[in-house]
Amino acid sequence: DAGVTQSPTHLIKTRGQQVTLRCSPKSGHDTVSWYQQALGQGPQFIFQYYEEEERQRGNFPDRFSGHQFPNYSSELNVNALLLGDSALYLCASSFPGLASTQYFGPGTRLLVL
Amino acid sequence: KQEVTQIPAALSVPEGENLVLNCSFTDSAIYNLQWFRQDPGKGLTSLLLIQSSQREQTSGRLNASLDKSSGRSTLYIAASQPGDSATYLCAVKGSQGNLIFGKGTKLSVKP
Repeated sequence: DAGVTQSPTHLIKTRGQQVTLRCSPKSGHDTVSWYQQALGQGPQFIFQYYEEEERQRGNFPDRFSGHQFPNYSSELNVNALLLGDSALYLCASSFPGLASTQYFGPGTRLLVL
Repeated sequence: KQEVTQIPAALSVPEGENLVLNCSFTDSAIYNLQWFRQDPGKGLTSLLLIQSSQREQTSGRLNASLDKSSGRSTLYIAASQPGDSATYLCAVKGSQGNLIFGKGTKLSVKP
């Protein structure tokens, strides 16, 4: 049983560019959450997708957008990249509801130059 | 607004020592609290999850306690080993369902 997978593992972009990160949830999970972890900080919640809709959103600008596909996989898109967007982006999957535990993927390391 | 604080930020101990990591949160209206381990540049591994109605959870050499009324949790690691070296993160889940993390405690266990 595959866990949560993310691609790519590493990415280098320049300011102003756009980036797309991908996440495949753990088998059976239909809810995907995205987190941003800057160096030396704890992860911060970006948004959560369930039934192909954004259900919750953290304090991130509209440059951050996402999508969930019918197979429950998800994409995170970031437009007009800033140097401060350099971080580890983590995807977590779960069943819906408060009782469900979130399982995290290995992350995508994004460096913006 | 929920805030999670972890102290100390870093800790270095000799192998074999028992140790305690601390986590505090400002809003006691949490659904559960979870402790994670993170190795450098890697994702998060869940260690222990404590529901709001529970007082503690144990897994092997790890024991986590929760005092919701005082907004505190501790992670106790017994007989520490060099392989325990990592950053330990505490996260609370509120009614919205997303996790709110502390900044972590970086643990180094010296042989």
